[in-house]
Amino acid sequence: QVQLVESGGGVVQPGRSLRLSCAASGFTFNIHAMHWVRQAPGKGLDWVALISYDGSNKYYTDSVKGRFTISRDNSKNTLYLQMNSLRPEDTAVYYCARDDGSRGLDNWGQGTLVTVSS
Amino acid sequence: DIQLTQSPSFLSASVGDRVTITCRASQDISSYLAWYQRKPGKAPKLLINTASTLQSGVPSRFSGSGSGTEFTLTISSLQPEDFATYYCQQNNNYPRTFGQGTKVEIK
Repeated sequence: QVQLVESGGGVVQPGRSLRLSCAASGFTFNIHAMHWVRQAPGKGLDWVALISYDGSNKYYTDSVKGRFTISRDNSKNTLYLQMNSLRPEDTAVYYCARDDGSRGLDNWGQGTLVTVSS
Repeated sequence: DIQLTQSPSFLSASVGDRVTITCRASQDISSYLAWYQRKPGKAPKLLINTASTLQSGVPSRFSGSGSGTEFTLTISSLQPEDFATYYCQQNNNYPRTFGQGTKVEIK
């Protein structure tokens, strides 16, 4: 079955960096685009970024453009999110999710918590 | 960016009730709308894709309708396991956006 396992979260000071990983298994990783979505405490779901199946196309929400970079290693079945210049408002649980084209995000991981605080 | 506005934000209902949640898009998104269910401590679950297609394994009491800018999620007879927060999300263009959510609680 499809499994997505995020890691790399933790507590970090404002302005610092963190890299999240998402290990995928149970499906053919290199034919699916992948997303990062986050949920801040007490808030709703917030779409962060998408990368195409081969890594050639990347899209970001405005609030993270220039600070976050989505990438993937298809040889390792792993998705990444490099987060630089972190801000307190980036505090959230970060989820990776598999893209099913125009149908939506059909499989999600359990999330990893990122806390940005001094 | 496309804004999605859900109504209501909060809904109190009883088991057996018929429940309808509305999602309005700030511009035409054709049928590229998905609905998700979110329970505390669990990952979001895709319920409905392309406005009205039920994901495999989702109970038939869930249904979706609409196109363009107005969409609805209906639960025909609310069950105890349906108390959760529901989100709409558009897949028409980037950035992909979610509605603010509708929390369905037990009356």
